[in-house]
Amino acid sequence: EKVMTQSPATLSVSPGERATLSCRASQSVSSLLAWYQQKPGQAPRLLIYGASTRATGVPARFSGSGSGTEFTLTISSLQSEDFAVYYCQQYNNFPLTFGGGTKVEI
Amino acid sequence: QLQLQESGPGLVKPSETLSLTCTVSGGSVSSSNYYWAWIRQPPGKGLEWIGTIYYSGSTYYYPSLKSRVTISLDTSKNRFSLKLNFVTAADTAVYYCARHGDYYDNSAYYDYWGQGTLVTVSS
Repeated sequence: EKVMTQSPATLSVSPGERATLSCRASQSVSSLLAWYQQKPGQAPRLLIYGASTRATGVPARFSGSGSGTEFTLTISSLQSEDFAVYYCQQYNNFPLTFGGGTKVEI
Repeated sequence: QLQLQESGPGLVKPSETLSLTCTVSGGSVSSSNYYWAWIRQPPGKGLEWIGTIYYSGSTYYYPSLKSRVTISLDTSKNRFSLKLNFVTAADTAVYYCARHGDYYDNSAYYDYWGQGTLVTVSS
């Protein structure tokens, strides 16, 4: 099983600031990594797949990078609606595994 | 627009079987392009993949749950189901159904999710 580790667990930022979230895989997952956003009481929403491709309708302020074992999700200028929990997920192998999440808060 | 909707009991007794159904609209569970999955999230915690089924009936389960899980497909009703046996309090979670792309085509990310349903295990 490929273990996904996200850091930090909580990120405190102000609106308009840049946020950088990290995800590390215990073994290489190539570029087969996705990012999701989850707001309270809602299902996760796909943001990024293939490590760097934005899903349909995702604003350009969200960007993903990385390959192998190290990945980053960057939110260039945080908007109020971006405060949420973010999860990474590898789909290089079964079992499909998620990271533990990073909460982005004010 | 694809929609997924979970249904089933919100309360299950310990040692009994949790049974949920995901009804799909706006798309077909018989599509060869997609897989259908169950994911859960204990209160205040992260996401855990439970298992996946393909239109052919092939299934893939999380190893630690494999002995207790069955996922099945009902193409006539365009839905798929989850059964989890011998539940304990640790199985209390919001259960989501979701769609993901072809694992063998490197697209097994979840693009559509149900709203989720809370299942509590308690006597």
